[in-house]
Amino acid sequence: ETAVFQTPNYHVTQVGNEVSFNCKQTLGHDTMYWYKQDSKKLLKIMFSYNNKQLIVNETVPRRFSPQSSDKAHLNLRIKSVEPEDSAVYLCASSLGVSSAETLYFGSGTRLTVL
Amino acid sequence: GDSVTQTEGLVTLTEGLPVMLNCTYQTIYSNPFLFWYVHYLNESPRLLLKSSTDNKRTEHQGFHATLHKSSSSFHLQKSSAQLSDSALYYCAHRVSGSFNKLTFGAGTRLAVCP
Repeated sequence: ETAVFQTPNYHVTQVGNEVSFNCKQTLGHDTMYWYKQDSKKLLKIMFSYNNKQLIVNETVPRRFSPQSSDKAHLNLRIKSVEPEDSAVYLCASSLGVSSAETLYFGSGTRLTVL
Repeated sequence: GDSVTQTEGLVTLTEGLPVMLNCTYQTIYSNPFLFWYVHYLNESPRLLLKSSTDNKRTEHQGFHATLHKSSSSFHLQKSSAQLSDSALYYCAHRVSGSFNKLTFGAGTRLAVCP
């Protein structure tokens, strides 16, 4: 049963445009994440929030900015997209930040930059 | 830094044969948590199994893995592959105190043929 919802499912845009992706979880979790899955299926963390506070900020270009209004929502904005931004962006949540926590993923947003 | 190495690329098996997907990890910490996530086509990635206990077999949905700290390994096995096992499998690693930041391997695609 889906509990991490992402919109949109797909987005096609041109280089230089701004895009925003939304993510909502209904699990009551405290922690949310953005992962990037590239064309080779490599899965890398971008950001993590715990109770609306940014706790993990990997080395990503400054055009990427996460936004969290509450612990159930985590959005991702990309200013001025580049071709290498084409990927699937996966949102995930977990109960907390302990090492044993399971990540629950959304179905992803596939971004294509022309 | 931490890293995870998996069986590369595509593994093709005939239905009924045993499955073995390799996973080794590199870390300077002695308290790793290891995970296997499975990503079926058109679905969200989800947890298959996890472990932090040395030399203890963990099982779920017919798959099993044993964390061996001496060899830094967490290989995924199944005695008999089924067509429905065809998916992308990720091994992932996390250390205590890392804010639940998972390091994923590159993924192994398993294709089971009749």
